[in-house]
This record gives sequence, structure tokens and C-alpha cells, in this order.
Amino acid sequence: AQSVTQPDIHITVSEGASLELRCNYSYGATPYLFWYVQSPGQGLQLLLKYFSGDTLVQGIKGFEAEFKRSQSSFNLRKPSVHWSDAAEYFCAVGPVTGGGNKLTFGTGTQLKVEL
Amino acid sequence: ETGVTQTPRHLVMGMTNKKSLKCEQHLGHNAMYWYKQSAKKPLELMFVYNFKEQTENNSVPSRFSPECPNSSHLFLHLHTLQPEDSALYLCASSQVSTSGSYEQYFGPGTRLTVT
Repeated sequence: AQSVTQPDIHITVSEGASLELRCNYSYGATPYLFWYVQSPGQGLQLLLKYFSGDTLVQGIKGFEAEFKRSQSSFNLRKPSVHWSDAAEYFCAVGPVTGGGNKLTFGTGTQLKVEL
Repeated sequence: ETGVTQTPRHLVMGMTNKKSLKCEQHLGHNAMYWYKQSAKKPLELMFVYNFKEQTENNSVPSRFSPECPNSSHLFLHLHTLQPEDSALYLCASSQVSTSGSYEQYFGPGTRLTVT
């Protein structure tokens, strides 16, 4: 069964500092990988996705993520965090083929930005 | 309207009431989903519809009844709910094909409070 682990429940960074949110997945083959962001009381917004090809993917709002097959990881990064980035971030994994269309989400990382 | 819309955004209902949540997607997708998001819990997939056919029901109690009249609309009918059903209910849509599933796009959610 596929699973996603986000080991950090809460992270606090200063505005302007760099950010890395960790995501590890368990899956039998190369999956589709996603990062979503959720502001309070809102739905989830897609930040970026990895299907194949270049292992460094760029997303919206200046975010990027790197797929590392050897480590089963898909960590999210941003070089300089803005106060508006404070939100909850979810990593998700989905099957490439033949596995239906169910996404498995991690439990989320709450990001706090100190001014 | 663009993306995925949900109405109402907030709903307060008694345990004996009957109400419905509505979701509409304007993305031309062929799959729609209901998720439940409770505080301190991972995102829970409730129902999946592919081409208007229900393909997944994750052991959801019968007091939740989904309906998908066409590929653009999804309803969640609620009756005799319990206080523990209070949560944010999220609708999502995606495009699926034989080559795999793709990213899901979420609505803003309906915040449900059961009194």
C-alpha cells in the first residue's frame, strides 16, 4: 500500500529565510507526486507536481521540489520565505498507471513565519 | 465561475436535519471526489466518482449519501448526522485516463457544524 510521511508537524522560520519541508513516500514504483498548500478555512491549492523527467520541478509562488528516487523523497523548498507563506502544506502520492485515481496524502506540515 | 466551487461555505445543522452540499467543477474533468478534513486528522477520502459512476466508498456511514448527476456536479446529502461529523468537507476533481491519474483540484470546502 502506498503511504506518505511528513515527519515535521510544525515548522517555524523567519521571513526571508530558506525553507525545506520533508516528504517521504512508500510505493512500489515511481508514483506521481504532489505538493499542496492550504490556508486556514480554504481548500487545497496545487503548488507543483512530478510525473517524470527532470527531478527538480518548479511550482507556483517560488516553490520547487526535488524527487530523489534513492531516498524515496520529494522535499519542498523555497529560497526566501514570505509572511504570506504561512499555511499548512501537504505532500501527496498517486499511482502512475493501473492503480486507479486515489491520492494518498501526508498528515501535513504547519508552517509559521516569524516577522 | 472557474475551478471548483462549493456551496454553502458554512453550514450549521441539527442532528435531525437533512441538508445537501453541492460541488461544481468548471474544468472539464471526468472524476470527482469528496474528502473529510477534521482537526488533528489526515485528509480522509470519502467517495470517488469516475464518469459519474461511484468507484470508491471508503466505509462511509450511510448518513452520508453522494450523488453525481453528471461529470460536472457532485452532491453530498446529509441526514441524522452526529457531532463528530463536524468537519471541513472538500470536493475535488481531476482528469483520469488509462495512462494514469492526474492532479486533483480542490474547492474551498464547506465548514459543517453539527449541533
